[in-house]
Amino acid sequence: GIQVEQSPPDLILQEGANSTLRCNFSDSVNNLQWFHQNPWGQLINLFYIPSGTKQNGRLSATTVATERYSLLYISSSQTTDSGVYFCAVGIGQNFVFGPGTRLSVLP
Amino acid sequence: NAGVTQTPKFQVLKTGQSMTLQCAQDMNHNSMYWYRQDPGMGLRLIYYSASEGTTDKGEVPNGYNVSRLNKREFSLRLESAAPSQTSVYFCASSVGTGVLGGYTFGSGTRLTVV
Repeated sequence: GIQVEQSPPDLILQEGANSTLRCNFSDSVNNLQWFHQNPWGQLINLFYIPSGTKQNGRLSATTVATERYSLLYISSSQTTDSGVYFCAVGIGQNFVFGPGTRLSVLP
Repeated sequence: NAGVTQTPKFQVLKTGQSMTLQCAQDMNHNSMYWYRQDPGMGLRLIYYSASEGTTDKGEVPNGYNVSRLNKREFSLRLESAAPSQTSVYFCASSVGTGVLGGYTFGSGTRLTVV
């Protein structure tokens, strides 16, 4: 099956800093999403991005499908950005989550 | 527009008891899914329904059954709960098989089996 790796596993930032989260996957996919799971457990869909680049406010994402990786950029981080960021990839109904990057933003 | 609604939000069961987790979506999505999330881990697929009238096993189906009641509703049943089923359960829906768009998740059901 598809293997998904995320790095780094843990990240601690001071408020205002920038960060890059990486997702590597083992096979060609037609679905890639980034999710933020907040401290209350809610999963929030950040980007649906099987290829290309998208931006939403302070967040942006780039997927290079031919090289099987995706990057999530967080600029000017805020304490509300804390939580776990999951990359999930798939083809058809086979949608696999990575292990996540746990982000802590300190005031 | 509520999106994906799950009930209940919290549940405690004794070993051997049964229960049904309910999920409904109002986005006219064709596909629906049940995932479980164990502490410190990502989500794993239990069952999915690609379209009304069909259901298929995911990665971890043992101990569960599902029913796609209609296009809106997809329920997950634990016939005889075990402590290993203590987890957070998420329901999700999507327009189709992923090509047409992403997944939308419900807020989760936190289940404890004692």
